[in-house]
Parts: sequence; C-alpha cells; structure tokens
Amino acid sequence: GESVGLHLPTLSVQEGDNSIINCAYSNSASDYFIWYKQESGKGPQFIIDIRSNMDKRQGQRVTVLLNKTVKHLSLQIAATQPGDSAVYFCAATPMDTGRRALTFGSGTRLQVQP
Amino acid sequence: EAGVAQSPRYKIIEKRQSVAFWCNPISGHATLYWYQQILGQGPKLLIQFQNNGVVDDSQLPKDRFSAERLKGVDSTLKIQPAKLEDSAVYLCASSFVGTGVHEQYFGPGTRLTVT
Repeated sequence: GESVGLHLPTLSVQEGDNSIINCAYSNSASDYFIWYKQESGKGPQFIIDIRSNMDKRQGQRVTVLLNKTVKHLSLQIAATQPGDSAVYFCAATPMDTGRRALTFGSGTRLQVQP
Repeated sequence: EAGVAQSPRYKIIEKRQSVAFWCNPISGHATLYWYQQILGQGPKLLIQFQNNGVVDDSQLPKDRFSAERLKGVDSTLKIQPAKLEDSAVYLCASSFVGTGVHEQYFGPGTRLTVT
C-alpha cells in the first residue's frame, strides 16, 4: 500500500518569507497528488493538485513540485501571510482505479510569525 | 454552492456506548467518503461509497463500525460499542465522478470523545 510522510512536523517562518513544505511517498503507482490546508476545527481544504505527467504546477501564491524519481513533492507558498498558518497535508492516490481514496501524510504545522 | 454538511459537530460518550454521525454531501456528488482523523495525524479512509454501493471498506473495523448510504445521498456512520481509541474527528468528504475530476471536498467533521 501507500505511505505518505512529511519531513517536518512544524515549520516556522516570518511573514513575507517563502515557505517550503516537503512530502515523500512510497507507492510508485500513485499518480495523483493533492495538497490540503487544515485550519483548527475545520475540515481539510483543497489547495492545489498535480498529476504524475507534470513536474510543476502553479496556483495563486502556491507552487507544487513533483519529483517522481525520488518520490518527493513539495509545496511552496510565496510571501507567506498570517492567514496561511495551518496544518498542511499532502495526499496521494492512483488515478486509474475506482478507489480514489486518498492516503494522507501526517501533516506539517506552518506557523507564520508577524 | 453549499458544502459538505455534518452533524453533530461534537459528541462525548462513555466507552461501550453507541454513536451515529450524519453526512450530507455536495449536491450531485456521487462519491462519498468517511475518514477518521486521530489527533496529530492525517485523515485515514474508513469507507468509500459510489452512489449507494460500497467501493472500499477495507479499513473499516467492521466488528464495531457500520455505515450506510441508502438512497445514494446522505450517509450515516455508526460505532457500537465505542472504545477509547475511537476518540477522533470523523470527516465526511464527497467528490464528483467525472473524467479528470478527483478533488474531494471535506465537511467540518465531528469530534468524538470517548471517556
């Protein structure tokens, strides 16, 4: 099966700096990856996704990088703001099956210092 | 567009009691998921429905957990009897079935405390 792990349980950054959150996965059959943001007392909120036929995808202030060779992906947040403080999860799933359940990592708590 | 609705938001019960959680997915979403999120961990899938059929329940502790989605819309998750280790947030998510569409939308969750 799949296992997904994040490299740091907590990341503290200054407001305005860029943040990088890393994630590793184990199953080479995983070909769809999502980053979620979870604020206290809320369910996970979709940030950005990437398919295995891409190695980079950009959104608003966020970029996801995928390195299939080493089974690693990262989430970059530009100009981090206090509202970005939350727990960030990466999740993986194989796309070509009906079982689209996501395997989540353990999460990285991002703390933004004013 | 209304999001995924869950109730109750919080529940405290004693061990060996039973409890039920309710979920109403986003309108038109055929796929519904129940996840268990233990404090400090990522969500773990318990069961996945496609309409009213079960797609994956391999990680559902079937001796005490049950779930149903009788009309292919709302779903309930039940625990009977509860154990201390069932204390967690139970998240419901739904997704639209379509080519290239895989995003799952999560509800706010039900926080269960078993004492």
